[in-house]
Amino acid sequence: GDSVTQMEGPVTLSEEAFLTINCTYTATGYPSLFWYVQYPGEGLQLLLKATKADDKGSNKGFEATYRKETTSFHLEKGSVQVSDSAVYFCALTTSGTYKYIFGTGTRLKVLA
Amino acid sequence: ETGVTQSPTHLIKTRGQQVTLRCSSQSGHNTVSWYQQALGQGPQFIFQYYREEENGRGNFPPRFSGLQFPNYSSELNVNALELDDSALYLCASSWPGRQNTGELFFGEGSRLTVL
Repeated sequence: GDSVTQMEGPVTLSEEAFLTINCTYTATGYPSLFWYVQYPGEGLQLLLKATKADDKGSNKGFEATYRKETTSFHLEKGSVQVSDSAVYFCALTTSGTYKYIFGTGTRLKVLA
Repeated sequence: ETGVTQSPTHLIKTRGQQVTLRCSSQSGHNTVSWYQQALGQGPQFIFQYYREEENGRGNFPPRFSGLQFPNYSSELNVNALELDDSALYLCASSWPGRQNTGELFFGEGSRLTVL
């Protein structure tokens, strides 16, 4: 079945460091790919998405490119801030289905 | 525009009891999904409701059931609670209808502890 694998955390970085969180997927259909973020004490919220191969999603300085050839959707940010500390979830949904498949989440901690 | 609201935010039950969790969807959204998020894990799909009918279900036993009302709000009911049901239960609403490839809007969740 469909699945999402993302790098385990926690990831601890200093402010202004470069961030990469790896995400790979397995899907039988043509998935749309998402990154959701969960800040402490809050619900999940969409960070960015890409709906077809080679699309790049971007928001708040974060970027991810839908790579069909490597079945990946890695999250990157050039310069993290303390306020980026949160748990990041990679997810997919396949056209014609009703459910999202989430990865296990990667906790990011950014130190001042 | 109000977002997704869930109640209660926290509750404690004992094994064998029943629980009802409630969700009000975001204005204009007619589809509600429920997810279970165990500690340290990603959300797992329980089921989705569209126009008051169950539209799909994940790998959860029948003691997990739900309802959607004409105003698109929803309930999640869990019977015969087990210790492993302890988790954060998330409600998410979305638009449009059955084939959802768009964004999910999540509530903050109801944290259930089963003793």
